[in-house]
Amino acid sequence: QITLKESGPTLVKPTQTLTLTCTFSGFSLSTNGLGVGWIRQPPEKALEWLALIYWDDDVRYNPSLESRLTITKDTSKSQVVLTMTNMDPVDTATYYCALRPYHWFDPWGQGTLVTVSS
Amino acid sequence: QSALTQPASVSGSLGQSITIYCTGTSSDVGNYNFVSWSQQYPGKAPKLIIYEDNKRPSGVSNRFSGSKSGNTASLTISGLQAEDEADYHCCSYAGSSSYVFGTGTKVTVL
Repeated sequence: QITLKESGPTLVKPTQTLTLTCTFSGFSLSTNGLGVGWIRQPPEKALEWLALIYWDDDVRYNPSLESRLTITKDTSKSQVVLTMTNMDPVDTATYYCALRPYHWFDPWGQGTLVTVSS
Repeated sequence: QSALTQPASVSGSLGQSITIYCTGTSSDVGNYNFVSWSQQYPGKAPKLIIYEDNKRPSGVSNRFSGSKSGNTASLTISGLQAEDEADYHCCSYAGSSSYVFGTGTKVTVL
């Protein structure tokens, strides 16, 4: 069974850097073709793809947020970490990580709500 | 990379069929056979129900079907049931290992 779970702070201040960890089980991110992505969803709004890291360490970012994002992986710990700099209240959202087996996302983690407020 | 366009809401009566459209461009929806759809209940994570335009994962009801024409993909729910009331999101591969999601559609069962 494949599971993913996000962890990190629930509250960050404006201008701070957010660090989120996705801990997964049931697969290895060293498996050819696999990727783990981060997607966010502001309250009552649409999903937005943020970043992806692939089995071969290739990384991809949403062009509109690329300058603020860094995604890394620790295969031995079965973790993927996303950092987002210069947080703003508009970044308040539920942040999800998900497995990208091919050109879709499944399954997803339960999500973690991050609020940006002073 | 703009979000794919979906209607904000669609409603239908029990037993009816409804269709949700997802409009992109020739750079995403129209260029690849990689549109997926997810179902999301309030406070829950999205769940994949269609991938590669029209394929259903194991365990997903055959009342859900996907199709595509040009730059527009569609999700049809036939025999609408109360448990189908949820948000539905499309997603397309957009090239260069990037992805774009739709604006999301709230389905209401009357």
